Order: sequence, then C-alpha cells, then structure tokens
Amino acid sequence: GESVGLHLPTLSVQEGDNSIINCAYSNSASDYFIWYKQESGKGPQFIIDIRSNMDKRQGQRVTVLLNKTVKHLSLQIAATQPGDSAVYFCAENFGGATNKLIFGTGTLLAVQP
Amino acid sequence: GAGVSQSPSNKVTEKGKDVELRCDPISGHTALYWYRQSLGQGLEFLIYFQGNSAPDKSGLPSDRFSAERTGGSVSTLTIQRTQQEDSAVYLCASSLDVVGREQFFGPGTRLTVL
Repeated sequence: GESVGLHLPTLSVQEGDNSIINCAYSNSASDYFIWYKQESGKGPQFIIDIRSNMDKRQGQRVTVLLNKTVKHLSLQIAATQPGDSAVYFCAENFGGATNKLIFGTGTLLAVQP
Repeated sequence: GAGVSQSPSNKVTEKGKDVELRCDPISGHTALYWYRQSLGQGLEFLIYFQGNSAPDKSGLPSDRFSAERTGGSVSTLTIQRTQQEDSAVYLCASSLDVVGREQFFGPGTRLTVL
C-alpha cells in the first residue's frame, strides 16, 4: 500500500542555541493556551501555559509569548539540549463551559549535538 | 500510580470488530478527556466528562464511537464495527476541574485496524 510521510514542520538547532517555535491559533475568543512536548511513543507533557490577560510568561528555560492582535503564540527554549528533541504542540481553550483543547499540528524540534 | 494510565497500550483488531479502551485518571481529578492522534497529526478532541454534568460529545466522529465514565473515575471508550480509518493513538487526559485547566495525559493506546 501507499505510505504517508510525516510532514511536520521541523526546526533544527545546535545544542546550546536558543529555539523559537511558533504557533498561529484560530479563535480570538480563546482565553487559555498551553504548550505541550511529546516524545516518541509517549503522551503529551505539559510545558507552560498562559492566560489571555498576559502577553508573556516565563518558566525554567522556557518563555511563552502571546500576541492576541495577530493570534500568535511562541515558545522560546533557552540553551537547547538534546533532551529537548521532541514534537511541540500549542493548544488553545475556547473558554466557556467546556475545557476541551484544540491542538495545532505540531513542530518537530531536532537538536544537533 | 501517580499518573494517568491507559490500557491496553497496543490493540490490533480486524475491521468490523468492536474494541474497548480504558483510562484510569489521576485520583481526585474530576475532568476526563479523550483525544485521538493520527500519524503525524495533532490531537483531535473526542469527548469530555466533567463531574456529574452531561459529557461534551461534540468531537465524536460517528455514532460508532461512545464513551462512559463510571463512578466519576474510570472511563471506557468503545468503538463499534471498527474501520481502518479508526487506526490512531487514543489519548486520555484528566484535570482537577475546569478552573485547574492543566490536562495530564496518559501514554495512549495505539489502535491498529487491519
């Protein structure tokens, strides 16, 4: 049968460099955003979140920036390490009574030693 | 264990058969979610349970899909008359409540329909 290739956007960085992963979200009414990291064969792992009343939030080695004007979210990883290699997903919560997350298609981060 | 657990980790079935996938959420988490992830894709929302409220089933792709949550804890996702396009990784997540929105994911069940 025909095989389907993996067509994730890929970001390749050198170990020690900073990484920036971008995401465009769809709903201007979304009030909560999360970045998840997914390693091969595992479920997504929470990295950092941000609410719509903020434009920046920092964690350990990671920073999330939110630009509501253009519906853009970015994840910055400082001093990228080989262990950071994974697929990164942004997700948005539309708010209201439901708590379901709408995920982006993901970006593959490949860290070169 | 401390995390979300799912069983089985892998399931291979024949087209037309029914399958049941199980999720054990983190103890004390009132909200439970099912998502589906096809190869190379993001996660697709299926269904959401919150406490005793009626579940949000808006993501279920067809009436062959159903889910229940017994006693506010364990959940089972059932797919009847499986089709090849149902092949995917099915992920379960739980969270404390609507306010505590961080969702903790299990490792998933990889379903392959032959």
